[in-house]
Order: sequence, then structure tokens, then C-alpha cells
Amino acid sequence: ELKVEQNPLFLSMQEGKNYTIYCNYSTTSDRLYWYRQDPGKSLESLFVLLSNGAVKQEGRLMASLDTKARLSTLHITAAVHDLSATYFCAALGRSRDFNNAGNMLTFGGGTRLMVKP
Amino acid sequence: GAVVSQHPSRVICKSGTSVKIECRSLDFQATTMFWYRQFPKQSLMLMATSNEGSKATYEQGVEKDKFLINHASLTLSTLTVTSAHPEDSSFYICSGQGSTGTDTQYFGPGTRLTVL
Repeated sequence: ELKVEQNPLFLSMQEGKNYTIYCNYSTTSDRLYWYRQDPGKSLESLFVLLSNGAVKQEGRLMASLDTKARLSTLHITAAVHDLSATYFCAALGRSRDFNNAGNMLTFGGGTRLMVKP
Repeated sequence: GAVVSQHPSRVICKSGTSVKIECRSLDFQATTMFWYRQFPKQSLMLMATSNEGSKATYEQGVEKDKFLINHASLTLSTLTVTSAHPEDSSFYICSGQGSTGTDTQYFGPGTRLTVL
């Protein structure tokens, strides 16, 4: 069974600082996703990582994937207040029902990021 | 990107009543739809997976007789919470996935259910 762990679960940081969120998963996965969730809202897709060594960047966020270590990271550069949100990683794994064509996502516990002005 | 809508966005009901939540894929055919539940300050937990025209597959601990899922077409899935109780109050999010099985899931905006 695929398990996904994120750390830290809560992160308070000052504007302008850098930090990294870690996402470990327990078994082989086809894809690794990062999402952002604002309070009371649904998920906003940030990145999808498909292969070992994949790196994607959007603004102050950069995501990477190491499939051998089963680790993905989300790096925040020079944080700003607008980045305050909860960030989830999710790994794509096979559905437990093999008659089901869909592959299921398993989510990490989330990292609640608060960037202080 | 593909769009998934949910209706209603927010519902308040009395204990013992049933509530239906609709999930629609607006510009693609969702062969598979997923239903998640999210309690405050927690992660998303998968409740069930449904394929169009088939019975839903429920995750362990989710009562299939309480959470009725119907996926009658490639663009519509419904979740009915039967005889709702306050502990069913949660944020329910659906997602739709295309036909290849490794396609990205597109998430709906969520439905906030409050049971009094």
C-alpha cells in the first residue's frame, strides 16, 4: 500500500527566506503531484513530476523528484506573504480494485505554510 | 485545463436528512471520478472511486450504504449522504480523470456540508 509522508506539517517563515518541504512515498509511483490549497478552497495544481530527476519551477516555487530515494521536494525561494497556504504532495498509485481503470492519488498530510511579513 | 464543477458549494441540513452532491466534468469525459473528504486541518482522504456505469469501489471504513455514489454518465457523478449526522460535516471534493488511467485528476471546487 502506497503511503505518503510530508514534513514539516507546519512552517512559519519570514518573508525573503528560503525553505524546503519534503515528501516521501513508500512504493513505486508513476507520478508525483504538488497542490496548493487556500482556506475554504479546493486544490490548485502546481506541478506534476513524471520521471527521476524531473525539476519544475514556477515563480518562487521549484519542485523536484528523486524516484530512487522516493523523495520529492518543494523549494520556496525568497518567500512572500502570498505564498501562505497549505501545500500537499500526492503520489499516483494503482487502484486497489484492479477492475477499476482509474489510478488513485494518495495524499501527504499537508504542510501549512505561514509567511510573516 | 479541464474543468470540474460541484453543486452545491455549501449546504446546511438537519440531522437525519439526506444530501446529494453533484460533480460534473464540463469539458472532458471523466471515465473515473473520485470522491474525497477533508476534515478541518487534515489532508484529503479518498472515500470511493467510481467508473461510469459501474458500482463504486469504497475505501476501507467508508460505509457504502451511507455514502451512495452514482456515476451514470461520463460527465456526472453524484454522492448522496444518507441520514446525515453532525460527524458527517466535512468538505467533500470530487475529481475527474480521463480514460487512460494515468491522466491527471481535475478537482472540483468542493462542497462544504454542515449537519446540525
